Amino acid sequence: GQQVMQIPQYQHVQEGEDFTTYCNSSTTLSNIQWYKQRPGGHPVFLIQLVKSGEVKKQKRLTFQFGEAKKNSSLHITATQTTDVGTYFCATRNSGNTPLVFGKGTRLSVIA
Amino acid sequence: NAGVTQTPKFQVLKTGQSMTLQCAQDMNHNSMYWYRQDPGMGLRLIYYSASEGTTDKGEVPNGYNVSRLNKREFSLRLESAAPSQTSVYFCASSGGRDRGEKLFFGSGTQLSVL
Repeated sequence: GQQVMQIPQYQHVQEGEDFTTYCNSSTTLSNIQWYKQRPGGHPVFLIQLVKSGEVKKQKRLTFQFGEAKKNSSLHITATQTTDVGTYFCATRNSGNTPLVFGKGTRLSVIA
Repeated sequence: NAGVTQTPKFQVLKTGQSMTLQCAQDMNHNSMYWYRQDPGMGLRLIYYSASEGTTDKGEVPNGYNVSRLNKREFSLRLESAAPSQTSVYFCASSGGRDRGEKLFFGSGTQLSVL
C-alpha cells in the first residue's frame, strides 16, 4: 500500500527561526493532506494539495506539492510557540481507501 | 455542533478485560474510522466504515471488533485486552469523496492495559 516517509522525526528551533518538514513517496500521489496535532490534542486538518507543483499559503505556513507529485513540504516562517506540535502528512492508496498517515514531525519551539 | 465525540477519555484495564469505546458524530458524515496512536508510529488505522452498514479492516485490526450502529455511531470493542493495546485511540469521520475528504477527529481515548 501507499507509504509516505516524513523527515525529520523531530525538530527543535529557536522562536523566530524557520521550520520545514518533508513528506516523500516512492510512487505518485493523487493528493496529500496535512494535519497538526498539539501536545495532548487531536489531529486537526490544515490543507489538501491536489495539483502538481501546487503551492498554498496560510499566514506563516507554506505548503508545496512536488512537480512529480511524489513529495510535499510544509514550511513555517518565523516560528512561534503556538506552532509547537506534531505535523502529519497523509494520503490515500486509491480513490476510495482511507487515509494513510506518515509518522509525523514533532516541532519544539524554544522561546 | 459537537463534531466527533468519543467516550471515555481515559480508561485503565487489566489484561483480559473487555471494553467498548464509543464514538458519535453529528455532521451527517458517511465515513468513520478508528485509529491508534503510539509514540513514533504515527496514526495507524484499525477499522473503518465507508458508509452505514459496512465495515472494513485497516492496517492493525487484530484484537479489535467494530460496529457501525447507525450513521452517527461507530464503536470499537476490545474483547480481551492485552498490554500491547495500550495506546491513544482516535475516532474520526469524513463526508466521503463527494463531500470533502478531510478527517475530523475526536479528542481521543487514552487506554492503559496492565
